[in-house]
Amino acid sequence: QKEVEQDPGPLSVPEGAIVSLNCTYSNSAFQYFMWYRQYSRKGPELLMYTYSSGNKEDGRFTAQVDKSSKYISLFIRDSQPSDSATYLCAMSAGDFNKFYFGSGTKLNVKP
Amino acid sequence: EAQVTQNPRYLITVTGKKLTVTCSQNMNHEYMSWYRQDPGLGLRQIYYSMNVEVTDKGDVPEGYKVSRKEKRNFPLILESPSPNQTSLYFCASSTTGTAYGYTFGSGTRLTVV
Repeated sequence: QKEVEQDPGPLSVPEGAIVSLNCTYSNSAFQYFMWYRQYSRKGPELLMYTYSSGNKEDGRFTAQVDKSSKYISLFIRDSQPSDSATYLCAMSAGDFNKFYFGSGTKLNVKP
Repeated sequence: EAQVTQNPRYLITVTGKKLTVTCSQNMNHEYMSWYRQDPGLGLRQIYYSMNVEVTDKGDVPEGYKVSRKEKRNFPLILESPSPNQTSLYFCASSTTGTAYGYTFGSGTRLTVV
């Protein structure tokens, strides 16, 4: 079983839609949760970072962590064509050498 | 501009011909790491380095070597490349002691024929 599971998509939505991206994990020791955005032919860039459980909001983006269910989500409000990318979740137990990545969900926002 | 620079961006080589992919960061980060990205498998760590002269294996180190002689540089060496090393490679760096995440390079697409 993989440490982190993520639906690969692709997910296609119309502009303006609310997008929900999710990851599940198996290691209850994970405490640090991140979302990366990766545009085609580019490296991943850090989008959101959350410690432990709860919500974090940054503009149109909201990250949620539910440690009891071992489930994390990224919500994108008022999605834009420029949000079209692959979104990767990543997590760590606090060993700063070790991050576990999901395989990524490809999102396409249609104008 | 703070960045991680990888070279080359694209490389096609033949089985067994030694190659080096360079990685350099200008953020004075202690920690650097190499990942490969394959469809359906996501990012898998090859090697990492906590600081100069300190390196350790990640999850998929077989067939790769690294060195960290200077803080800013962390080259990835394939002594005898094989077709199963065809992949997209990323170098990343971060400040040790934080789980805030990495700064990634733009990637090197390697094809071994």
